[in-house]
Amino acid sequence: GESVGLHLPTLSVQEGDNSIINCAYSNSASDYFIWYKQESGKGPQFIIDIRSNMDKRQGQRVTVLLNKTVKHLSLQIAATQPGDSAVYFCAENIKDTGRRALTFGSGTRLQVQP
Amino acid sequence: DAGVIQSPRHEVTEMGQEVTLRCKPISGHNSLFWYRQTMMRGLELLIYFNNNVPIDDSGMPEDRFSAKMPNASFSTLKIQPSEPRDSAVYFCASSFTGQSTDTQYFGPGTRLTVL
Repeated sequence: GESVGLHLPTLSVQEGDNSIINCAYSNSASDYFIWYKQESGKGPQFIIDIRSNMDKRQGQRVTVLLNKTVKHLSLQIAATQPGDSAVYFCAENIKDTGRRALTFGSGTRLQVQP
Repeated sequence: DAGVIQSPRHEVTEMGQEVTLRCKPISGHNSLFWYRQTMMRGLELLIYFNNNVPIDDSGMPEDRFSAKMPNASFSTLKIQPSEPRDSAVYFCASSFTGQSTDTQYFGPGTRLTVL
């Protein structure tokens, strides 16, 4: 079946650099996307979301870009800090009448080097 | 504000025993989700409820798993009998289902170990 996937399992960056985490999705019917951050021993934490009628959305130090043409989603973290070290998941909401469950990607581990 | 509350945080049991995991969603949320997370399979949706009614239980592994939501503030996930392959972290999440932007908020999870 169609699913959300990630290109890179581990991303290592230097503190202060910008990070870019990528995600590919295959279901063109998806209309809503979310990025979650999961720290060790904790549940996934909402970071930012974007609807399919948008190309870009910005939050505090984070930006999500959506390219529907190539079915690609990215999370950009500016001035990466040690506290950003975690596993990042993209998730999609597959448009289906009455169904609001998310499908999660496999995750990318971000390691921030001091 | 209290987030999603799960109990217990850790559970160690022996194969064949019954296990009950509990969840209290965020007040005002009308959808509740149970997920299982393992290294091999990542985050998997088991079942979700909307207004206390099960909507999709296609992710429930087998008849040993059952979930209930007797009211808007409480849900249980039961495994009977438990098996070692059920060892995982089980997350509960809740959301307010409005239009198409239903952000799910996760609890801290229950780490289950079946010996």
